[in-house]
Amino acid sequence: NAGVTQTPKFQVLKTGQSMTLQCAQDMNHEYMSWYRQDPGMGLRLIHYSVGAGITDQGEVPNGYNVSRSTTEDFPLRLLSAAPSQTSVYFCASSLAGQGKYEQYFGPGTRLTVT
Amino acid sequence: SQKIEQNSEALNIQEGKTATLTCNYTNYSPAYLQWYRQDPGRGPVFLLLIRENEKEKRKERLKVTFDTTLKQSLFHITASQPADSATYLCALPGLPGYSSASKIIFGSGTRLSIRP
Repeated sequence: NAGVTQTPKFQVLKTGQSMTLQCAQDMNHEYMSWYRQDPGMGLRLIHYSVGAGITDQGEVPNGYNVSRSTTEDFPLRLLSAAPSQTSVYFCASSLAGQGKYEQYFGPGTRLTVT
Repeated sequence: SQKIEQNSEALNIQEGKTATLTCNYTNYSPAYLQWYRQDPGRGPVFLLLIRENEKEKRKERLKVTFDTTLKQSLFHITASQPADSATYLCALPGLPGYSSASKIIFGSGTRLSIRP
């Protein structure tokens, strides 16, 4: 198993540009989440999904969209990038629906918005 | 609103000693609490989960306690080694019970350094 994969690893955007961060997992996990990590602030939940077709907002959802059309993929869209969205983004998945609550994280995407 | 505090931003201890990290929470009644390890440039890695009806959990040199009255978890690493140097994060479900298992909220982490 590849586990949780994220692409790209690094990205630089100009203010106002849009892009999609990709996340995929091959463990048949129903639960998937997106987090951002900023220095001194830990991980903050952006959006999460409990299964295909079901998504919900986390702590900091503004400026981000998600969709979950398949169990494997959970892309995160930045509609109009802002410097405040400069961060490291992590995707995670789990089998929480089956009582296994440990999350498996991807390697992260480091995004810089200028 | 829910709040998680990890009391020490950084902790430096000597090899061989026991490291103790603290996680406090407010406005929660979590069904469980998790601890993760994060190395620089990498995603967090799950270490341990302790449920609300468990006082203590052990895994090799790791021990976690969970006091729902004090709203606190302690994470211990015994016989610490330089390889244990990393940032340690605690995490809880954002809503009571198990139904919000995907809405996991993290503390800001404690950076642990073990000196030889």
